[in-house]
Amino acid sequence: TQLLEQSPQFLSIQEGENLTVYCNSSSVFSSLQWYRQEPGEGPVLLVTVVTGGEVKKLKRLTFQFGDARKDSSLHITAAQPGDTGLYLCAGAGRSSASKIIFGSGTRLSIRP
Amino acid sequence: KAGVTQTPRYLIKTRGQQVTLSCSPISGHRSVSWYQQTPGQGLQFLFEYFSETQRNKGNFPGRFSGRQFSNSRSEMNVSTLELGDSALYLCASSEGGFPYEQYFGPGTRLTVT
Repeated sequence: TQLLEQSPQFLSIQEGENLTVYCNSSSVFSSLQWYRQEPGEGPVLLVTVVTGGEVKKLKRLTFQFGDARKDSSLHITAAQPGDTGLYLCAGAGRSSASKIIFGSGTRLSIRP
Repeated sequence: KAGVTQTPRYLIKTRGQQVTLSCSPISGHRSVSWYQQTPGQGLQFLFEYFSETQRNKGNFPGRFSGRQFSNSRSEMNVSTLELGDSALYLCASSEGGFPYEQYFGPGTRLTVT
């Protein structure tokens, strides 16, 4: 069974600090997505990475796909209260028949 | 393009009743997936429909069923509701192929009393 483990589960930091969230698996994924979800709403797609070692930046957010395409990280620089939310990673297998696997999520809280 | 829409947004049902939830995907998307989200279990995959055919199924009892219409709109049905079915039900739309990006609707909050 494919699993995606996210760490940490919870993170509460002060505005302006930096943080990193991790998404790890023993399985290889053809693509990996990061989502952010706010309470009572659906997850919003932030980024997709598909190439081992790939790095993508979205303003203060930096996403990296592991060289072996089994893990990923999300780094936030100078966190702001608007970054608060549940961050989910999701990995897709090699074929369209494969299920998309979601991590359990990292709940991030940024204190002003 | 319009985003994914789900109706209704909120629903209160009594144990034993049945419920039907609706999802309209992004125009041109042929895949619709359904997820159940609860605080304790996180995001759990229910099933995926692609071009009117169920392509994948999660580990949920037969009380949970779905279908997809020729215009890609999808419905999911839960029969004989149980208290544990209370959750946020999310629908996700995608083109159905690599890189498998999903676009979620706002969800339907179902409360079973």
